[in-house]
Amino acid sequence: SSELTQDPAVSVALGQTVRITCQGDSLRSYYASWYQQKPGQAPVLVIYGKNNRPSGIPDRFSGSSSGNTASLTITGAQAEDEADYYCNSRDSSGNHQVVFGGGTKLTVL
Amino acid sequence: EVQLVESGGGLVQPGRSLRLSCAASGFTFDDYAMHWVRQAPGKGLEWVSGISWNSGSIGYADSVKGRFTISRDNAKNSLYLQMNSLRAEDTALYYCAKDIVQGEWLVQNAFDIWGQGTMVTVSS
Repeated sequence: SSELTQDPAVSVALGQTVRITCQGDSLRSYYASWYQQKPGQAPVLVIYGKNNRPSGIPDRFSGSSSGNTASLTITGAQAEDEADYYCNSRDSSGNHQVVFGGGTKLTVL
Repeated sequence: EVQLVESGGGLVQPGRSLRLSCAASGFTFDDYAMHWVRQAPGKGLEWVSGISWNSGSIGYADSVKGRFTISRDNAKNSLYLQMNSLRAEDTALYYCAKDIVQGEWLVQNAFDIWGQGTMVTVSS
C-alpha cells in the first residue's frame, strides 16, 4: 500500500498560523481527510474533501491540496489546538485500502 | 445522540482468536459504510478494515488480510471484527468508525464518528 508522510512535530506561537502537511502519491488523485486527537481521546474529524468542516469545527481550521501534498492550516492557533493531527486518504495502488499518515504532534507555545 | 460503543477486547495469547463488536445508535446504521481503525500504544492510527453499507464491498490492510474478517448485522445495528491467528503486533486500541458517506466506502475516506475503542492485548 502507498504511504502518507507527515512531519513528526510542529510548533506554533499562540495566535499565529500553522500549516501541517501530508505527502503521498495518492493525494494526486484523492483528497485527504484530517483528524485531531488529544491524549486519551478518540480522533475527531476536522477537515474532509476539498475543504469541508464537520459541524462544530471552528473555521480557523482549513484544508488545501496541491500535487502530492495536502495541508491543514490553523489560522490563529489556540491552546486547545495542541494535539496530534493525522491525515488519511485512499490508497492509490488499486488495493481498495485506506491509509493514514504517521501523525504530527502540534505544540502551541 | 450518535454513538458507537466497542466491546470484546481483552488479553489473549498469540495464535488465539477474538471477536470485537461495535454497537451503533443515533443514526441509520444501514445507510453508512463502517471501518475498524487501530492504534498501538504510543503509536499512530492504522486503518484495519472497511465494509460498505450492504457488505457488498470489503477491504483489509495488508497487515491483517487473511487473518481478520469484518462483518455487519444491519438488523442489530452492529459491526464486528473477527480476529484469528493473533500476533503480538496486533496489540492496540481498536476503534470502530463511521464513514461520512452513505453507501460505499473509498468515496470520501472521512470518518466522522468514532467510538472510544476497545483494547486488545496479545501476549503469552
